[in-house]
This record gives sequence, C-alpha cells and structure tokens, in this order.
Amino acid sequence: GAVVSQHPSWVICKSGTSVKIECRSLDFQATTMFWYRQFPKQSLMLMATSNEGSKATYEQGVEKDKFLINHASLTLSTLTVTSAHPEDSSFYICSARSDRGQRDTQYFGPGTRLTVL
Amino acid sequence: SQQGEEDPQALSIQEGENATMNCSYKTSINNLQWYRQNSGRGLVHLILIRSNEREKHSGRLRVTLDTSKKSSSLLITASRAADTASYFCATGRSYNTDKLIFGTGTRLQVFP
Repeated sequence: GAVVSQHPSWVICKSGTSVKIECRSLDFQATTMFWYRQFPKQSLMLMATSNEGSKATYEQGVEKDKFLINHASLTLSTLTVTSAHPEDSSFYICSARSDRGQRDTQYFGPGTRLTVL
Repeated sequence: SQQGEEDPQALSIQEGENATMNCSYKTSINNLQWYRQNSGRGLVHLILIRSNEREKHSGRLRVTLDTSKKSSSLLITASRAADTASYFCATGRSYNTDKLIFGTGTRLQVFP
C-alpha cells in the first residue's frame, strides 16, 4: 500500500515550452501533497505544499507563476513548469501524505527528470 | 537555511560491516525520519522516530535521537551491497500539518 506514481518519469523539452508533471496517490487519498526538486548529488528542496481544493503554499524563493500547481482531486496533483529554461533542468519529486493512519509519514513518487535544451 | 546537515557526506565500507550516519538539525521537532534513495530514484521511507523517543529499531536499522543535542544517528548493521544508496534524514516540526526539512544526505557505498 501507499504507492505514489509520477508521470512522466523523464522529459526533454525545448527552452520556452511548458511541461506538466503528474503525481498520483494510487491506493490512498491525499489531501496534502508536496513538490520537491533535487539537483545532482544534492538534497531535496521543498518547492511547495499542494492542498486539494485550495491554492498551493510556495516556499520562499519559488516563483508561483513559474511553477503552477493544481491539486484537482484527492489523488492527483500536477506541477507545470511554464516557459522552461535550461536552469529548470532538475529531478522533480512529489510526495503525498495519507489522510488516514500515520499522517506524519510522506510517501514519495519515483521522480521526474526534466531536461530543458 | 533550515536544512539539516549529515555526516559523513560519503561513506565506503565492506559488506558485513556496520554503517553509521549522523544528522544534526536546527529547530525543535515533532519527529525525525530517515529515507533511502537509490541513484536517480524516489525516496523510500525507512523509519520514523518521535521527539519523545530515544531509540528505535527496524530490522538491521537502529535510529537514535538526542533532542538536547539536536542530533540523530542511523546505524545499519551487517551491511549488504544492496544497501548502497543515499540516506537522508528529514525533520517534521509538527504532527500532521507540516512539511519535512531534509538533511544534506550521506552517500553510502557498500563493496561486496
């Protein structure tokens, strides 16, 4: 149980295009999901907290208009990188916290590697 | 930055040896969690220890927490080549409402 999927697992796009990444909790409901980015050989940096039915909460320094988050249902959150540039190339990981059981544990997706040419 | 620090940054050992990783953090916490990440993959939750606990075991894993020193350690006993991965600690400041702050990570290499 507690499986989180991400799609796509990797994407290559041209500079200036927008890319959407999906995060799904497959066997549980998640009112709250989190989006992280990770540069090579570095730790995870939280970008934003995604709440179903309301606006996301962004961390300091993260551009809201650049990284659009939509948490449309209790099992799906999407991150759209708008007008992507090479510096946006990174590993994006989502996590979800179950609405039941041990609520302080986050379950992570397998990540999406974004390469912007 | 609120990010915690881990040491060592990298650790290489032989199979069968024990591996110890340390994590220090800066703020008061409700819980501390350890995760494993294989190269280019997502994170796997290993163990959670709450602020009122001092030690916890799970299989070959032993975690300690010293809130007075704001530090934790993860011990992997009888390591295996399959334990090769990066290990991160993450702190949660409150139950059920808050984000996790991740440490810098330790890259563990276990040689067969």
